[in-house]
Amino acid sequence: DAGVTQSPTHLIKTRGQHVTLRCSPISGHKSVSWYQQVLGQGPQFIFQYYEKEERGRGNFPDRFSARQFPNYSSELNVNALLLGDSALYLCASSLGGGGERNTEAFFGQGTRLTVV
Amino acid sequence: GNSVTQMEGPVTLSEEAFLTINCTYTATGYPSLFWYVQYPGEGLQLLLKATKADDKGSNKGFEATYRKETTSFHLEKGSVQVSDSAVYFCALNLGGGSYIPTFGRGTSLIVHP
Repeated sequence: DAGVTQSPTHLIKTRGQHVTLRCSPISGHKSVSWYQQVLGQGPQFIFQYYEKEERGRGNFPDRFSARQFPNYSSELNVNALLLGDSALYLCASSLGGGGERNTEAFFGQGTRLTVV
Repeated sequence: GNSVTQMEGPVTLSEEAFLTINCTYTATGYPSLFWYVQYPGEGLQLLLKATKADDKGSNKGFEATYRKETTSFHLEKGSVQVSDSAVYFCALNLGGGSYIPTFGRGTSLIVHP
């Protein structure tokens, strides 16, 4: 069975540019979450989507946006890139939406974004 | 707010040594607790979890017990292997009206033959 797939795996962008990252969840999973992992730090929550609706948002500027499609895949968009946006961006999928404390999240291998 | 504090790494051990990685948390409610592992170049994998006080999560020889009185969830393994070298993340999740899981900074484990 395919796990969570993310594309691209690596990306180099210039300051001020825009980037779109993509995530396909495990088949049957309806919830997708996005995380930013800066080198040497733990993942920081950016967004959670369930059934195409935003269910949670972390402390990130409005330059960050996301959406979920009818097939439950998701895109993370970042505008006006800054050097500090360089990080590993992780996508995780899970079965349920909100209200379930014990829902396990399955992570993709991430997209390594470098902003120069 | 919610937070997770892990011991600083790297933790360097010889093969077959005993491992403890400390994790403490603060939470506004009653969280579920998790340990994730990240091997080089890969995403995070769930290692084990515990959902209520005194629960013990275990997997692949690793164990952690949910201690509500000390707000801790320390990871232990009796005999580490070189293949256990990775970064370990402690995390909490409240669920309910909160959809924001909180991770610790991670602890790097290096196991030498």
